[in-house]
Amino acid sequence: GENVGLHLPTLSVQEGDNSIINCAYSNSASDYFIWYKQESGKGPQFIIDIRSNMDKRQGQRVTVLLNKTVKHLSLQIAATQPGDSAVYFCAEKTGGGNKLTFGTGTQLKVEL
Amino acid sequence: DVKVTQSSRYLVKRTGEKVFLECVQDMDHENMFWYRQDPGLGLRLIYFSYDVKMKEKGDIPEGYSVSREKKERFSLILESASTNQTSMYLCASIRQGAGEQYFGPGTRLTVT
Repeated sequence: GENVGLHLPTLSVQEGDNSIINCAYSNSASDYFIWYKQESGKGPQFIIDIRSNMDKRQGQRVTVLLNKTVKHLSLQIAATQPGDSAVYFCAEKTGGGNKLTFGTGTQLKVEL
Repeated sequence: DVKVTQSSRYLVKRTGEKVFLECVQDMDHENMFWYRQDPGLGLRLIYFSYDVKMKEKGDIPEGYSVSREKKERFSLILESASTNQTSMYLCASIRQGAGEQYFGPGTRLTVT
């Protein structure tokens, strides 16, 4: 399988529990943030995004929280399922361009 | 659904060979990106293109070049492959002004 999980922080949760994955971003001028999920052997997939004028956004089973004061982003997954096992990483965008800066990721492992 | 495809999932090349990685997107996106992904380092931007025949260097362009002759296709070229270019290569595209980037499945390149 893919080795993108090496050297990554790992979060292990029981199936059915809630998961919280954290990300510290670097640029206080960043105005748009995304969470991606990357399953083994696949490219990253978009989960949810949030703009800097918001502090919370909810999707289906996922919630993103943004704390601009401490430059912190979190992804909450409700009722974690085995299919949620993947590497999750955040990305930030600064200004009007299209470039994203990515975090290094967190490996989520769901235990049955 | 946006589809980003990459020409190969796995590739093995010898040191000194010229390597072409192809990426095609079917959503008429203006912007396309090439990243490499290495354990513990996350996604690092190699090159990007915001229009046909336009290209800009990312954070780690050394040893790479790119070509964008058609809007839907963005090629990454390793002029003379080296072992330190063994990595997962990911292509992404985004519509101008949009937020999320759409990723291809990745090409795992091994240089021996």
